[in-house]
Amino acid sequence: DVKVTQSSRYLVKRTGEKVFLECVQDMDHENMFWYRQDPGLGLRLIYFSYDVKMKEKGDIPEGYSVSREKKERFSLILESASTNQTSMYLCASSPRSFSQYFGPGTRLTVT
Amino acid sequence: GQQLNQSPQSMFIQEGEDVSMNCTSSSIFNTWLWYKQDPGEGPVLLIALYKAGELTSNGRLTAQFGITRKDSFLNISASIPSDVGIYFCAGQLRSGNTPLVFGKGTRLSVIA
Repeated sequence: DVKVTQSSRYLVKRTGEKVFLECVQDMDHENMFWYRQDPGLGLRLIYFSYDVKMKEKGDIPEGYSVSREKKERFSLILESASTNQTSMYLCASSPRSFSQYFGPGTRLTVT
Repeated sequence: GQQLNQSPQSMFIQEGEDVSMNCTSSSIFNTWLWYKQDPGEGPVLLIALYKAGELTSNGRLTAQFGITRKDSFLNISASIPSDVGIYFCAGQLRSGNTPLVFGKGTRLSVIA
C-alpha cells in the first residue's frame, strides 16, 4: 500500500513564526504536491514538484515556499505565518500515471 | 486556477438509498478520478478513469468517464452509514505532468 505521512496532525503557531510542514512518501513516486483545504473552497494547489530539486507554483503560492532535496520528502515552508494561513494542509504523491495519494493532513492554526 | 463544477454540494439520504453525483467542465479532460474524504483525514482514491465512455465499478461504487470527456459521474448503491464523508472529483486536462483539477466536493450524510 502507498503510504504518505505528514509530520504533524495538529499544529499551533504564532503569527510571524517560520513553520515547516514535512511530507514523506514510501513508494518512490516522482511527483509530490501540497494543497490547502478550506471550507467551501475545496482543495487548492500551493506547490508541486516533478523531481528532486524541482518545484512549480500552483494556484496559491504566495506566502509559501517548498523544498525537495530527496525524492521521498517534500517540505512546505511558511516563511512568516499569518492568521489567514490557518487551514488544513494536505500532501500528496503520485507516479507519472497521475493517480494521487494523499497523506492524513496537518491542521494548522496560526494565532 | 480552473475548477470543476461538482454537484450537488451536499446530500442527506436514508440508509439503503442509491446516490448519484457528478462533475462537469467546459474543458476536455484526459483522466477523471473520484476521491472520498472521511472527517479529519486525507482524501482516499476510490476510482480512476482513463478512457472516454469507460464505466468502472469498485464494490457498491460505479463511476463513468463521460463520452464528451467533459463530465463524470459517481453512483453509490445501497448506501450505508460509513459512506458518510466528502466526495471529490478530479481531472487531468492534458497528458504528462499537469496537476489535477479538483471539484469542491459533495458532502454526503446518511441517515440510519
